[in-house]
Amino acid sequence: GAGVSQSPSNKVTEKGKDVELRCDPISGHTALYWYRQSLGQGLEFLIYFQGNSAPDKSGLPSDRFSAERTGGSVSTLTIQRTQQEDSAVYLCASSFGTQNTEAFFGQGTRLTVV
Amino acid sequence: AQSVTQLGSHVSVSEGALVLLRCNYSSSVPPYLFWYVQYPNQGLQLLLKYTSAATLVKGINGFEAEFKKSETSFHLTKPSAHMSDAAEYFCAVSHTGGGNKLTFGTGTQLKVEL
Repeated sequence: GAGVSQSPSNKVTEKGKDVELRCDPISGHTALYWYRQSLGQGLEFLIYFQGNSAPDKSGLPSDRFSAERTGGSVSTLTIQRTQQEDSAVYLCASSFGTQNTEAFFGQGTRLTVV
Repeated sequence: AQSVTQLGSHVSVSEGALVLLRCNYSSSVPPYLFWYVQYPNQGLQLLLKYTSAATLVKGINGFEAEFKKSETSFHLTKPSAHMSDAAEYFCAVSHTGGGNKLTFGTGTQLKVEL
């Protein structure tokens, strides 16, 4: 596709359930990032994939959060046993290369935990 | 650790007036700095970036920013505001040696009035 695609655009889930958020990066982009945007916390880095290197998971808030990137392309962010504080917009971005290259963002997945 | 501070969570200007959105950074090494814009229900779009090539950076939609090392600032300006500029603006710094993952400021909501 022309840009970064995220699905679903909106997700409402019950507290305690697991959710999976999907990101399709721009074709050819080697780097993929997940960020979380929430009221009061702003935009927070979660995890970063670069090529075949081990991902940088330093931003994941707890062990309930995990992400994988299959075949160097599509990525899935999984949140287990969701809590109300997980409610946020989850943004995915991709870039070609690493330092200082423009990151292109998807429109995000709005997660609401009820 | 690198960080950015955006002064003023909300800024209101009249159409045709100067836009000035403030960003100060903290970094122990020369930073890479970015301004992103987010329109309602959309992802982030890059306005401009500082890469150390020139201190005055011109971006899209008539925006520009000046890197001032002595003031640790990277303020965003536009000579004449347009109604379509109403959006949220984020300043961000790139982590050196950490790929392209970004640390964002808390954002400034720009309102443009007639």
